[in-house]
Amino acid sequence: NAGVTQTPKFRVLKTGQSMTLLCAQDMNHEYMYWYRQDPGMGLRLIHYSVGEGTTAKGEVPDGYNVSRLKKQNFLLGLESAAPSQTSVYFCASSPLGTGAYNEQFFGPGTRLTVL
Amino acid sequence: RKEVEQDPGPFNVPEGATVAFNCTYSNSASQSFFWYRQDCRKEPKLLMSVYSSGNEDGRFTAQLNRASQYISLLIRDSKLSDSATYLCVVNRETGGYNKLIFGAGTRLAVHP
Repeated sequence: NAGVTQTPKFRVLKTGQSMTLLCAQDMNHEYMYWYRQDPGMGLRLIHYSVGEGTTAKGEVPDGYNVSRLKKQNFLLGLESAAPSQTSVYFCASSPLGTGAYNEQFFGPGTRLTVL
Repeated sequence: RKEVEQDPGPFNVPEGATVAFNCTYSNSASQSFFWYRQDCRKEPKLLMSVYSSGNEDGRFTAQLNRASQYISLLIRDSKLSDSATYLCVVNRETGGYNKLIFGAGTRLAVHP
């Protein structure tokens, strides 16, 4: 099992450009998440999905869109990149259920720089 | 104020030392608690869950104090390979969804 994979690993954009980050998981997890991690701050949730065809806003959704057309894939889109979106982006997944002990499995991250 | 607060460190300790990290959380509705480990430029990985009665996993001991809303992680006999950032994570259910709230992390550097 590959677990959670992310593409690309690195990307440099110019302000105003668009791009899509792809996350894929092979663990048959229902829940998927997109986070961003910035220096001195904890991971912050951008958007999440509780199943195929569903998406919901997290803590910092502005400037991002997501889609979950297939259960195993969760896409994060930046329509018009801004320097404030320079960050490391992590995708994660977790099994179905709202039990109290809910481990999330993370992908290796995408380092995005917006000039 | 951040919902989960940690001392950023770094904690610089020699091999073999015992080191403890504390973390405080502000939302009393938090239901479960974790420590994740993040190596430099890598993804976070679950180190251990934190149970109300406290729990141990080899050299690692986690404690929870719900009354004071703090969580601790004790590492005994530190190894060079323990060098990493340790993330305190709190789980809170909202709208049927389990939301993980991450602290910014405490950096540990173990030296020979």
